[in-house]
Amino acid sequence: TQLLEQSPQFLSIQEGENLTVYCNSSSVFSSLQWYRQEPGEGPVLLVTVVTGGEVKKLKRLTFQFGDARKDSSLHITAAQPGDTGLYLCAGAPDSWGKLQFGAGTQVVVTP
Amino acid sequence: NAGVTQTPKFQVLKTGQSMTLQCAQDMNHNSMYWYRQDPGMGLRLIYYSASEGTTDKGEVPNGYNVSRLNKREFSLRLESAAPSQTSVYFCASSVRRSGNTIYFGEGSWLTVV
Repeated sequence: TQLLEQSPQFLSIQEGENLTVYCNSSSVFSSLQWYRQEPGEGPVLLVTVVTGGEVKKLKRLTFQFGDARKDSSLHITAAQPGDTGLYLCAGAPDSWGKLQFGAGTQVVVTP
Repeated sequence: NAGVTQTPKFQVLKTGQSMTLQCAQDMNHNSMYWYRQDPGMGLRLIYYSASEGTTDKGEVPNGYNVSRLNKREFSLRLESAAPSQTSVYFCASSVRRSGNTIYFGEGSWLTVV
C-alpha cells in the first residue's frame, strides 16, 4: 500500500500547455520532496517543502504544500519537451523517519 | 563529480545464483540506502544505514543482505536470486537519515531468469 498516492499516473501533453501533478496522503509529513527522474538515471531532487501552505517556484515549476501537510502539488506552466520525465513525491513522517515515495507520475511533453 | 557510483550497471542472473551490488559515495554522507524500483510501485526501501556501523531493514528486505563496509561503501547482496528480484536497484546517500536531499546513483538493472 502506497502511503503517498500520486495522480495522474501518466500525463501526455503538447508543448506550451500547463499541467498539475498531485501527491496525496492521509498522513501528516514534516517535509515533502519532489524528484524528477529521466530514463536510465536516478531521481534528482527538485524541491523540499516543510511548512504547511508553503509555495515554492523553480522557473516554470510551482510546488505547493497543503495547509495540513498531507498533500502537495506540482504545477508546470508552458511545458517543454525537456520537462518530460517521471515525477516522484517523497514524504518524511517526522524528523527521524525514512522517506516514503509515491509511485510517480510519468509526464510526456511532445513538441 | 562522482557523487554516488554503483556497479554493475546491468546484470543477468540465473535463479539461485548470488551476486553483490557495489555502491560508493564521495560526499562524506552519513546515511546510505538501497532502493528497488518496479513499474507502478515507485521506489521501495530495501535496507538503509543511518551511519557507519549500522544497518536496518526497510520495507522489502527479504532475500537481501547488506554490508556498510566503511563510511563510503554500502553493498547489497542477493544470496539466491529469484525472478521476483528482477528490478532496477538504486543506491543513494544523504547527509543524515531524514529531511535531507537524497542523492541517487544511476541504477543497476538486474534480470533474474
